[in-house]
Amino acid sequence: EVLLVESGGGLVQPGGSLRLSCVASGFTFSDYWIHWVRQAPGKGLVWVSRITTEGGGADYADFVMGRFTISRDNAKNTAWLQMDSLRVEDTAVYYCARLKLHGGGSYGMDVWGQGTTVTVSS
Amino acid sequence: QSALTQPASVSGSPGQSITISCTGTASDVGGYHYVSWFQQHPDKAPKLIIYDVFNRPSGVSDRFSGSKSGNTASLTISGLLAEDEADYYCSSYTSRTTQVFGGGTKVTVL
Repeated sequence: EVLLVESGGGLVQPGGSLRLSCVASGFTFSDYWIHWVRQAPGKGLVWVSRITTEGGGADYADFVMGRFTISRDNAKNTAWLQMDSLRVEDTAVYYCARLKLHGGGSYGMDVWGQGTTVTVSS
Repeated sequence: QSALTQPASVSGSPGQSITISCTGTASDVGGYHYVSWFQQHPDKAPKLIIYDVFNRPSGVSDRFSGSKSGNTASLTISGLLAEDEADYYCSSYTSRTTQVFGGGTKVTVL
C-alpha cells in the first residue's frame, strides 16, 4: 500500500521549534518531490514548501522563509520539515504530499498523508 | 504570493452540473499547464481529482472535468451526487517555482 505518514506535531510555545517527519512506504520515494501543505483550523489549504527528488532544490512560501527548512533522506524514505521561530499563526494541520514529474508536466500531488497537528500557544 | 480566487460556495441539486472557477494571474494559472484540483471532505486529507488542467488520476470519476482559459481554470462536476458535497481547492505552479492554492469552494448538494 502506498502511504505517507506524518508525525512530530504537538504543542509548542511561540518562538519554539518542531521537526515534522513524513515517512513513505509502498513506492520508490526517490522518484518523487515532496510538498508540505498546511491547513489552519477552519481555513483552507496553504502551500508551505517542497523539495526535489535528490534534495538539491527547495522552495518555500514567503511566510516561512528563513524559519522553516525542508530536507529528505532517500535511504530512509523520509522527508522532514524543521520549523523554528514558530508563531501562533503557524498553528495548523501539516500534510506532506508526493508529486512525480513527467516529460510534459507532473502527475499532481496524488498521495497525501493523514496530517499532523501543530499548535503554537503560550 | 496571493491565493488563487475561488467562489466561497457553489450549490446544485442532484443530477445537475456545477462549475467552480479558479482565477489567478499570468504568473501562475495563465502561465502554466500545471493546475490541479483537490476534493476534501471534513476531517479528511485532500484528494487529487484533476492534474495538469484536465487529467484525471486513475479511479476518479469522469463526472469531474477540468479546463482552463487564460488566467482562469475551471472544475465541472456533472451529475451531482450527495457524496460530492465537500470543499474543493485549485492549485497552480507559479513563476517563482512555488505552488499556490485557491481559497477553497464549499459545494453543497441541495
